[in-house]
Amino acid sequence: QKEVEQNSGPLSVPEGAIASLNCTYSDRVSQSFFWYRQYSGKSPELIMSIYSNGDKEDGRFTAQLNKASQYVSLLIRDSQPSDSATYLCAVNGGAAGNKLTFGGGTRVLVKP
Amino acid sequence: DTAVSQTPKYLVTQMGNDKSIKCEQNLGHDTMYWYKQDSKKFLKIMFSYNNKELIINETVPNRFSPKSPDKAHLNLHINSLELGDSAVYFCASSQDQGANSPLHFGNGTRLTVT
Repeated sequence: QKEVEQNSGPLSVPEGAIASLNCTYSDRVSQSFFWYRQYSGKSPELIMSIYSNGDKEDGRFTAQLNKASQYVSLLIRDSQPSDSATYLCAVNGGAAGNKLTFGGGTRVLVKP
Repeated sequence: DTAVSQTPKYLVTQMGNDKSIKCEQNLGHDTMYWYKQDSKKFLKIMFSYNNKELIINETVPNRFSPKSPDKAHLNLHINSLELGDSAVYFCASSQDQGANSPLHFGNGTRLTVT
């Protein structure tokens, strides 16, 4: 049973539009949530972290967390071709050792 | 300048061989990890060390043996390589093992077993 689920995509978005990515998780006691961006052949890089319910904005990115619904999302405003990548949702269940469980990622394609 | 560096970047070897991947971080972090990313892009944790002490040891064949000589280094040795070991292996580090401590990844080692 998958613990962190994402739609694999590809999510095709016109340049300048909003890309909306969703992630659900199964562990109710999960404490912290992260979004990583991974370009093809590269390593994941952190773009957002969120720890409490509500919205968190950083530049063109907004993360939204709803612990009751076990749902975390990422919005990318004014999408650019350089945003084309795979976006990985990661969840920390609170176990010892800072164990992150990753979803399979959503591939985003921003078309000029 | 690289924060988390791992070598080699590519590793091509035959079944049955033994190989090692090295990782070093200059961020002053206490915690280091090995993750495996398979062909379907799922990233799965293998091991974590905090200040040289093994904390997480997931269900990984005992052919995989991590070693942390100090908190800035975490190496991975793999014995008797199998075809299924082909994947990208990422080293990562975090400030500490707290739940709010994000991971910083190295550039990965693409292992191909033939």
